[in-house]
Amino acid sequence: QKEVEQDPGPLSVPEGAIVSLNCTYSNSAFQYFMWYRQYSRKGPELLMYTYSSGNKEDGRFTAQVDKSSKYISLFIRDSQPSDSATYLCAMSHISGYSTLTFGKGTMLLVSP
Amino acid sequence: DTAVSQTPKYLVTQMGNDKSIKCEQNLGHDTMYWYKQDSKKFLKIMFSYNNKELIINETVPNRFSPKSPDKAHLNLHINSLELGDSAVYFCASSHAPEGPGTEAFFGQGTRLTVV
Repeated sequence: QKEVEQDPGPLSVPEGAIVSLNCTYSNSAFQYFMWYRQYSRKGPELLMYTYSSGNKEDGRFTAQVDKSSKYISLFIRDSQPSDSATYLCAMSHISGYSTLTFGKGTMLLVSP
Repeated sequence: DTAVSQTPKYLVTQMGNDKSIKCEQNLGHDTMYWYKQDSKKFLKIMFSYNNKELIINETVPNRFSPKSPDKAHLNLHINSLELGDSAVYFCASSHAPEGPGTEAFFGQGTRLTVV
């Protein structure tokens, strides 16, 4: 079992839809959770960063962490064509030198 | 004002050659990284440096040698390039290698093609 699982998609939705992107993980040592957005031929850019279980909202984006289920989600409200990109979840350990472990990314396509 | 910049953006070279990729960050971060993104878009850590010291070296062939002349720069030198080295290489930086602040900021990537 991979440490971080993420459905690669593509996920196609019409403009204005609510999008739900998800990752599951197996390592309970992961305590920090991030979502990155990557446009084609660009570097990943940080969207959301969470530490504790629960919800964190930033504009149209909401990140949700359920540590008991080892499940994290990113919700995008009122999706726009400009949201079309690959979304990568990433996570890191609480102690020691730690780097990010990424999911494989979900490609999102928002059609006008 | 690019925060993390890499050069070159594209690199096409023949098998067996030696090449270098340069990275610079102007964010004042202490930690820098090299990640490799393969053809399936899977992003995986290669190296991590904190204040010019190597702290993480994942299972990477020793043909790959990172060098950090100062904490704002982390270069990647690759010897005897192989076809399987073709990928996009991303440089990244963060405030600290652990705990809050581990969120990394990425460069635009270097697309390496070995022919």
